[in-house]
Amino acid sequence: QKEVEQNSGPLSVPEGAIASLNCTYSDRVSQSFFWYRQYSGKSPELIMSIYSNGDKEDGRFTAQLNKASQYVSLLIRDSQPSDSATYLCAVRLAMYSSASKIIFGSGTRLSIRP
Amino acid sequence: EAQVTQNPRYLITVTGKKLTVTCSQNMNHEYMSWYRQDPGLGLRQIYYSMNVEVTDKGDVPEGYKVSRKEKRNFPLILESPSPNQTSLYFCASSPRGLGEKLFFGSGTQLSVL
Repeated sequence: QKEVEQNSGPLSVPEGAIASLNCTYSDRVSQSFFWYRQYSGKSPELIMSIYSNGDKEDGRFTAQLNKASQYVSLLIRDSQPSDSATYLCAVRLAMYSSASKIIFGSGTRLSIRP
Repeated sequence: EAQVTQNPRYLITVTGKKLTVTCSQNMNHEYMSWYRQDPGLGLRQIYYSMNVEVTDKGDVPEGYKVSRKEKRNFPLILESPSPNQTSLYFCASSPRGLGEKLFFGSGTQLSVL
């Protein structure tokens, strides 16, 4: 089992709709969770981080964390063509006490259709 | 401008010819790391450094070396490149550890023939 799993997509969503991206992780005691956006040919950029159960909202983006289910999601409201990108879920694994281990999922490719 | 600078952006080389990919950050970050990105496999950590003279292996360190003699620089060295090291490489830094945002360089596309 992969430590961080994402559906590779592509996920196609009409413009203006809600895009829902999901991620599961295997380390039960993970503490930090991140969503990075990566445009084709570019480097990843952080769009959301979440550390405690529940929802965290930032503009059109909402991150949701459920540690009991080992599940983190990203919702994008009012999807725009500029949201078309690959979204990487990243998890900091608590088993590594040096705080140096972060695992990325393989990413979900999102396409917003006009 | 705060940034992580990688060079070169593209590199084509032949098997066995030693190469170095440079990485420099101007944000005084303690933590630096190298990743490779391959289709379907996501970003995998090669090596990381918690501070000057402190480096450790990531998930896929075989065939790579790093050094951290200065806080701002973290070069990636391939002593004898092989075709399976053809990949897109990213350098990243963050202020301290990994509970914080990673700042990525623009990437180096390496092809080993």
